[in-house]
Order: sequence, then structure tokens, then C-alpha cells
Amino acid sequence: GAGVSQSPRYKVAKRGQDVALRCDPISGHVSLFWYQQALGQGPEFLTYFQNEAQLDKSGLPSDRFFAERPEGSVSTLKIQRTQQEDSAVYLCASSTQANTEAFFGQGTRLTVV
Amino acid sequence: DQQVKQNSPSLSVQEGRISILNCDYTNSMFDYFLWYKKYPAEGPTFLISISSIKDKNEDGRFTVFLNKSAKHLSLHIVPSQPGDSAVYFCAALLTQGGSEKLVFGKGTKLTVNP
Repeated sequence: GAGVSQSPRYKVAKRGQDVALRCDPISGHVSLFWYQQALGQGPEFLTYFQNEAQLDKSGLPSDRFFAERPEGSVSTLKIQRTQQEDSAVYLCASSTQANTEAFFGQGTRLTVV
Repeated sequence: DQQVKQNSPSLSVQEGRISILNCDYTNSMFDYFLWYKKYPAEGPTFLISISSIKDKNEDGRFTVFLNKSAKHLSLHIVPSQPGDSAVYFCAALLTQGGSEKLVFGKGTKLTVNP
């Protein structure tokens, strides 16, 4: 597809369950970002990849959050032992190396019950 | 500590009039600013951007103004259309230590009334 694709669109998890969120960036985009958006807030940075290298993970809220991009294209955000405060929309974005305009996916809405 | 602030949670204007959305920032390291538009259940869509070396950028009905001394930027939409109704996010690009990230404001919900 032409845009950033995220799956699933919606995920309901029981507290304590592990979840994995997938992002397919735009083909050829070197940079990939994950953001977390809580209700009524703006997106907040989680982590940044340049190709397969995770250059910044300073925004990950705890060691329960883990992201990978092993082949420099598809990325997975994994959350272990989910808690209610993890409920949010998780947005993935990608951009070309020299381009500061990031294209966002539709997001995955995670609800932890 | 919010580095990008959008102090108006909502704005309502009449179709055909001007919409002005404001944004303030605190970090002098920001060197590029972007506006994103977001419809419900969709991801943010890039609208317009401005480099810190400019004070104005125009694209059709959308103009962004940057006042570096005041650390303030604004988005003007003229004329406003009902289809412009959405949440608008101001974002600033922070590039440091080999990383780059967008820092977002909380957004302003714009309603354009027919």
C-alpha cells in the first residue's frame, strides 16, 4: 500500500496479558517512529529507528515496552504484562532520511481491561 | 513540562471566515515546525511546515507564521470550510544526539460551521 499500515486497528487485552502491535512503514522510508496518544492529549514520542538501528528509546515508559525493526522495514511494538495505564492509541510514523515530514498510520487503539 | 503548548482546546468559526490556531514553544533547540490535522479514528495527516529560518510559509488556503523571538507560531486557514473541522496539532522537531523526534501540543479542535 501507499501509506503506513498498522495492525490490529483495535486490541482489547486483559491486564497482565502481552500484546504485539505491528507497523508496516512506507516502502523505502528509513526512519520509523512510535508514538503513544492518550485520550485528549497529543502524541508522545516512544522510540525511533533508523533502518534496523534503534537510535532512541528514551520515550518508552518502562521496561515492559520493547520495540524492534529487525530488517529495517516492518516494526513491532511489544508490551508485556499490560496495565490499565497502557490504554492509548499507538501511532507509527515513517519518513525518508532527509525529510522531516513524517507520515502516520491510523494507529492501534489498545484497551486494557 | 510541556514544551509545545496549544492553549485553546477548541475554536469555532463560520464558513468562509479566517481560522487562526496558535501554538507556543519553550525549547530554543526546535528548528522545524509542523502542523498536523487529525480526523476521528484516523492518524494525523501532515498539513504544512516551516523551518526556523523562515517566518512564513503558504500553501493554498493554509499559511503558517513563525515568530522566533516570541517562540510562537500560528496557522491561518482562509477561507475556512466545513471539511476543515478536525483536531489540529502543532509539532516541533527536535534533532539531537543522532535522534529526531516530534514534540506535539495537545491539539485544538476546530469546528467550521456552515
